[in-house]
Amino acid sequence: AAGVIQSPRHLIKEKRETATLKCYPIPRHDTVYWYQQGPGQDPQFLISFYEKMQSDKGSIPDRFSAQQFSDYHSELNMSSLELGDSALYFCASSLRIGAGATDTQYFGPGTRLTVL
Amino acid sequence: GDSVTQMEGPVTLSEEAFLTINCTYTATGYPSLFWYVQYPGEGLQLLLKATKADDKGSNKGFEATYRKETTSFHLEKGSVQVSDSAVYFCALTSPSGAGSYQLTFGKGTKLSVIP
Repeated sequence: AAGVIQSPRHLIKEKRETATLKCYPIPRHDTVYWYQQGPGQDPQFLISFYEKMQSDKGSIPDRFSAQQFSDYHSELNMSSLELGDSALYFCASSLRIGAGATDTQYFGPGTRLTVL
Repeated sequence: GDSVTQMEGPVTLSEEAFLTINCTYTATGYPSLFWYVQYPGEGLQLLLKATKADDKGSNKGFEATYRKETTSFHLEKGSVQVSDSAVYFCALTSPSGAGSYQLTFGKGTKLSVIP
């Protein structure tokens, strides 16, 4: 079965640079979530989208923005990177409306961002 | 706000030992409860879930029962294997925003199984 795809898998950036992370949800899934997992930490919710509209916002810094496109893929844009942004960034998807709708989220493999 | 508390790790067990990882939650309403597993260097995989009181989720020999009276969702396995070594996260979903469900995770419990 198709899973959530994230790219790139690893990313190294310098302080104050920008980064763009991409997420391709499971086909037919209409909702995308972004989470940040610091070293040895539990994942923290950042933001979610349903049908290309932002549906909820968590602890996402103002330096970050995200959007969901017409093909349902999502991008997380991170600017003015700081050392503390080094983390594993997960995307998850779910099907909110329609046959098979569930609140279960399926996670991608994550993008490991290292800020030097 | 909603929260999840799970037992501190790390937990080290011998192969074939019995495993219990405690998880309790605080939530308004009726959340769904999940266990996710993270193997070294990998992403989060759904292990099992339960959506209402007294539901039992099970997968790969792991089980957890949704106990509303004790607000608990403890993870158990009768006989662990070396391949079960991973970090286990208890989580709940609570509806928020325009109908989305953000996950709230516990801090994770690292399990190491030795031969």
